[in-house]
Formats: sequence, structure tokens, C-alpha cells
Amino acid sequence: RKEVEQDPGPFNVPEGATVAFNCTYSNSASQSFFWYRQDCRKEPKLLMSVYSSGNEDGRFTAQLNRASQYISLLIRDSKLSDSATYLCVVIPDGSSNTGKLIFGQGTTLQVKP
Amino acid sequence: EAGVTQFPSHSVIEKGQTVTLRCDPISGHDNLYWYRRVMGKEIKFLLHFVKESKQDESGMPNNRFLAERTGGTYSTLKVQPAELEDSGVYFCASSTLNTGELFFGEGSRLTVL
Repeated sequence: RKEVEQDPGPFNVPEGATVAFNCTYSNSASQSFFWYRQDCRKEPKLLMSVYSSGNEDGRFTAQLNRASQYISLLIRDSKLSDSATYLCVVIPDGSSNTGKLIFGQGTTLQVKP
Repeated sequence: EAGVTQFPSHSVIEKGQTVTLRCDPISGHDNLYWYRRVMGKEIKFLLHFVKESKQDESGMPNNRFLAERTGGTYSTLKVQPAELEDSGVYFCASSTLNTGELFFGEGSRLTVL
């Protein structure tokens, strides 16, 4: 079983739609969670951290469900520029190396006009 | 401010040859990481430097891979001799603090024929 699992998609949605991605992680002791975004043939970039209480950044909302060990990302009012691959990222507990990120395979989003 | 830069952007070599990838982190970033994405798989951690010291090299696949960071500035990752399964995109990342926000370079795409 992969440490971080995501539905690879692709998710094809029209502009203005709301879309949600889920991600599950296997290590119940994991403490830190993130969503990174990667454009085609570009580098991954941090989109947002995910906090236990849930957090919002403009049109983006991230949620964490520790009991079910899943993380979600909700994008409202999708823009063409949101088209990218969204990477679910976990830092396993006990790792003194907090740059040792565990990546999911990524979920591809394509927003159509 | 310049981001993380990697060279070469793309390298095509024959099986058995040697390739050296270079990474220049963001100035002042003590933490430097190497990650790799093999086609169809998730991005995986290779190793972590703090300044010139190897903090964690648990992700290095085998002894054909050698990473160095002399002087604590730029880093090199040498693959010798290269095998077909080494093909993929090698990402370098750097950070100041252990917060989970890594700044990635655009990657070096390695193709071994």
C-alpha cells in the first residue's frame, strides 16, 4: 500500500465549477500535511498547509480528517489557471528531517472554458 | 531573487555512462534536498544536506548514486554507471527552516538509453 494515495484523475471541469480532491495516508502518526501544485513540466510549489481545524485561502479550502486519515482540497469557482497537478504531501511523524516529504502521485485538474 | 537552479535541464545518455547533475539552491538556504520522479510514479525523497553534511540519505537507491555538497553551497548528484531504471526527473529543493515548505528547481530530466 502506498504511503499517500490520490486519485490521479484527470478531473475535467468547466470554468466556475467547484471541484474536490481527496487523499489518504497510511501512517496514522503523521503530523504535517500539505498540498503542492505542479504545472506541466514545472517544479512543485507549495499551495497551502493543511491544519487540523481546516483552513482557507481565497478559493481554496483544505481539510484534515485524522480519524479517517484523509486530506481534502476544495477549489471553488475554478479558473483556467487552476489547471495543474495537485500533489498531496505528508511529513511522517518521528522524522527529524521535516524536509523529507512523502508525495502522493498527484491529481490532474483540467479546467475547460 | 534567483530560485533553485538545476543543470542540465535534460540529459540523454547511454546505459553504463556517467552523468552529473548540479543544483544551486537559493542563497542562504542551509537545507538542500534531492528528489526523483520516475515515470508513472510519485516524487520520492533521495537525500538531505544541512550545509555540507548529509543529514539523511535513506532514499538513495544504491551505491551508483553519489551526492556531494562541498562548501555547503551547490550540490552535485552523480550517477555512475547509469542504468535504464535511473531515467526520470531529478528535482533539487532548498529551504531555510524545517517547515515543510521546500522551494524546488525545475528538475533535470534524465533519459538513459
